[in-house]
Amino acid sequence: KAGVTQTPRYLIKTRGQQVTLSCSPISGHRSVSWYQQTPGQGLQFLFEYFSETQRNKGNFPGRFSGRQFSNSRSEMNVSTLELGDSALYLCASSLIAGNNEQFFGPGTRLTVL
Amino acid sequence: AQSVTQLGSHVSVSEGALVLLRCNYSSSVPPYLFWYVQYPNQGLQLLLKYTSAATLVKGINGFEAEFKKSETSFHLTKPSAHMSDAAEYFCAVTDSGNTPLVFGKGTRLSVIA
Repeated sequence: KAGVTQTPRYLIKTRGQQVTLSCSPISGHRSVSWYQQTPGQGLQFLFEYFSETQRNKGNFPGRFSGRQFSNSRSEMNVSTLELGDSALYLCASSLIAGNNEQFFGPGTRLTVL
Repeated sequence: AQSVTQLGSHVSVSEGALVLLRCNYSSSVPPYLFWYVQYPNQGLQLLLKYTSAATLVKGINGFEAEFKKSETSFHLTKPSAHMSDAAEYFCAVTDSGNTPLVFGKGTRLSVIA
């Protein structure tokens, strides 16, 4: 069974631009969570989607948004990029909502110049 | 609200020596606890989890962790370190299936030949 895939793996953007990251969960998994990982703040929860609905949202500004499609694939978008948005963005999937055994993808490394 | 404290941002051990990575948690209700490992340029991989069954939890790659409620701890151990264990380790907690995982800051394990 294929694991969680994230595209692209690396991305370079400039301040003020927007970016969309994609996550395909493990086949059959319906819950997708997103995390931001930085050296200073560690792993921080962004949001969780289940059945195309946002279940939980972390403490991030409105520039960060996400969605989930009917096939459980998820995207997250960051608008008006700031230097501080440079991070590894990790996606994790689980079988059902509330099932805390999450399987992580390799992440998308975003660099904002 | 839950929180996790990982004591020691960097631990160095000799090959063959005992590995001990410390994790203390705070939770107002019985917690679900996890240890994840992250190798360079990769996502997180679940090592083991505690979900209120046996207090001694065995995971992959020879790791185990013991849940001690009186000490609010969930330390990770491995009897004999291998070079391949060098990675970053994260402890995480949630109080239920409805709240996101909260991660510790991580502990980088170095293994010296």
